[in-house]
Amino acid sequence: DAGVTQSPTHLIKTRGQHVTLRCSPISGHKSVSWYQQVLGQGPQFIFQYYEKEERGRGNFPDRFSARQFPNYSSELNVNALLLGDSALYLCASSLKGDGFSGNTIYFGEGSWLTVV
Amino acid sequence: LAKTTQPISMDSYEGQEVNITCSHNNIATNDYITWYQQFPSQGPRFIIQGYKTKVTNEVASLFIPADRKSSTLSLPRVSLSDTAVYYCLVGEIYGQNFVFGPGTRLSVLP
Repeated sequence: DAGVTQSPTHLIKTRGQHVTLRCSPISGHKSVSWYQQVLGQGPQFIFQYYEKEERGRGNFPDRFSARQFPNYSSELNVNALLLGDSALYLCASSLKGDGFSGNTIYFGEGSWLTVV
Repeated sequence: LAKTTQPISMDSYEGQEVNITCSHNNIATNDYITWYQQFPSQGPRFIIQGYKTKVTNEVASLFIPADRKSSTLSLPRVSLSDTAVYYCLVGEIYGQNFVFGPGTRLSVLP
């Protein structure tokens, strides 16, 4: 079975531009979450969606938005890009919508965004 | 989410067993313990998850004492390809409480 797939794998954008990152979860998984990982640090939570509803949002500005589609795939949108948005953006999926009872999340390989 | 403490870095040699201990003194009754491995420029990879005692899979073992205030990830006979950052997470593994610490940077030497 395919794991979590993300696209594009690498992209370069200019300050002020907009970017859309895409994610397909593992088949059967209904929860998708997004994370930002800056070089040298651990991943930081941005959003979680379950059954197409937002279940959680991290400490990120309103320039960041996301949505989940009926097929459970997801998009992360970032507007008015800043140099500091340069990072690895990770998508993860899980079967359940909560973090307890031994639920496990599986990460994709990420999308490398460079803002120049 | 229970705060975790891990060594920042560890060195080992090929073929040795590596044990990485994570402290989580304020773990809650319902909390699970989950370990991830991350190679440079890749997403974290799930290694193992446990609640108590011992869990073993094809990759690693996880030892959890009775008080559950710590856990030890054991990697048998490491190879150069095990060089990575290892993260220990306790409790709700996503949402606002999802916090990765700095992890343990394991370097396997020839």
